[in-house]
Amino acid sequence: EAGVTQFPSHSVIEKGQTVTLRCDPISGHDNLYWYRRVMGKEIKFLLHFVKESKQDESGMPNNRFLAERTGGTYSTLKVQPAELEDSGVYFCASSQRPGSSTGELFFGEGSRLTVL
Amino acid sequence: RKEVEQDPGPFNVPEGATVAFNCTYSNSASQSFFWYRQDCRKEPKLLMSVYSSGNEDGRFTAQLNRASQYISLLIRDSKLSDSATYLCVVNMENQGGKLIFGQGTELSVKP
Repeated sequence: EAGVTQFPSHSVIEKGQTVTLRCDPISGHDNLYWYRRVMGKEIKFLLHFVKESKQDESGMPNNRFLAERTGGTYSTLKVQPAELEDSGVYFCASSQRPGSSTGELFFGEGSRLTVL
Repeated sequence: RKEVEQDPGPFNVPEGATVAFNCTYSNSASQSFFWYRQDCRKEPKLLMSVYSSGNEDGRFTAQLNRASQYISLLIRDSKLSDSATYLCVVNMENQGGKLIFGQGTELSVKP
């Protein structure tokens, strides 16, 4: 069974440009999450989708970040315009049940974003 | 103050050693507790949940002390393959999958 896949694995852009990250969750997983790890810091929650609905977006840093999950399948996270502090690794995770019940989220390998 | 605090390490130990990691959390409303493992440049993976009564999975033992808001992970008979970063993770009740991660403790097991 395919795991969570993310694309691209690494993106290098200049400040002010736009980047779109994509996540394909495990098939059948209604819950999809985005997390981010900035260098030297801990992994932090960004938002949670249940199917196509945003359940919790309290971790989104600002309105330069836009996440979508049209149709409740794959999700995209767009950063526009990108700033230097957006550099980091963006992880997507999915689960069949909400993470609080088992703690087990299945993570993708992450998309490393470098903003120059 | 960070919500979940861990000693970042690195812990450098020889094969066969026993090593213990500690973690403290600040929010007493935390309900669920976990240890995740992350290999270099890979994704985090659930290692084990942590229960108040303590739980064991092979060479790994996890303990939780709610009164002290303290979580531990003990690895016995360390293997080279145990080298990784160990992430202490907590979850609040009714917070869905909003896991709160510690910064991680790096373990390096040497021959």
